[in-house]
Amino acid sequence: AQSVTQLGSHVSVSEGALVLLRCNYSSSVPPYLFWYVQYPNQGLQLLLKYTSAATLVKGINGFEAEFKKSETSFHLTKPSAHMSDAAEYFCAVSDLGGGSNYKLTFGKGTLLTVNP
Amino acid sequence: KAGVTQTPRYLIKTRGQQVTLSCSPISGHRSVSWYQQTPGQGLQFLFEYFSETQRNKGNFPGRFSGRQFSNSRSEMNVSTLELGDSALYLCASSLAGGTIYEQFFGPGTRLTVL
Repeated sequence: AQSVTQLGSHVSVSEGALVLLRCNYSSSVPPYLFWYVQYPNQGLQLLLKYTSAATLVKGINGFEAEFKKSETSFHLTKPSAHMSDAAEYFCAVSDLGGGSNYKLTFGKGTLLTVNP
Repeated sequence: KAGVTQTPRYLIKTRGQQVTLSCSPISGHRSVSWYQQTPGQGLQFLFEYFSETQRNKGNFPGRFSGRQFSNSRSEMNVSTLELGDSALYLCASSLAGGTIYEQFFGPGTRLTVL
């Protein structure tokens, strides 16, 4: 069964500092991987996705993530944090085949706070 | 282009009652998925519909059910509500089947069971 582990339920950074949110996955087949962001009282917004093309994926708002098969990781980074980045971030995985192709399995989420 | 809309946004029910939540997908989208979000369990997949057919179902009891109409709008129903059903219920729509297509999420319906 596929699963996602997000290391650190809460990450705090200073404005302008590097943002690094960690995600490790477990999947029996090469997966699709996603990062979503959720602002308070809102739904989820897709930041970026990996679908077995380039291993370095660039997303919206200056975020990017690198797929590392050997480490089963898909960490999310941003060189310089903005106050507007404060939100909860979710990593998700989806297998490519069979019925599970139509669902996302999410990690528990990482709450990012940005200090002025 | 209008986004995914969910109604109602907030709902308060008592144990034992039933509830119906509604989701209107983005125009042209044929796939609708439902997720439950709680502080303890996080985001969990409920079910996915495509062209009025349920194609995948998560690990939830039979009290949770859903359907999709010919215009792709979807409803989910929870019968005999329990306190643990209190959650944010999120609906997501995508153009077609398969998670390779971006899923667009609605703002959710916050259900409180007293």
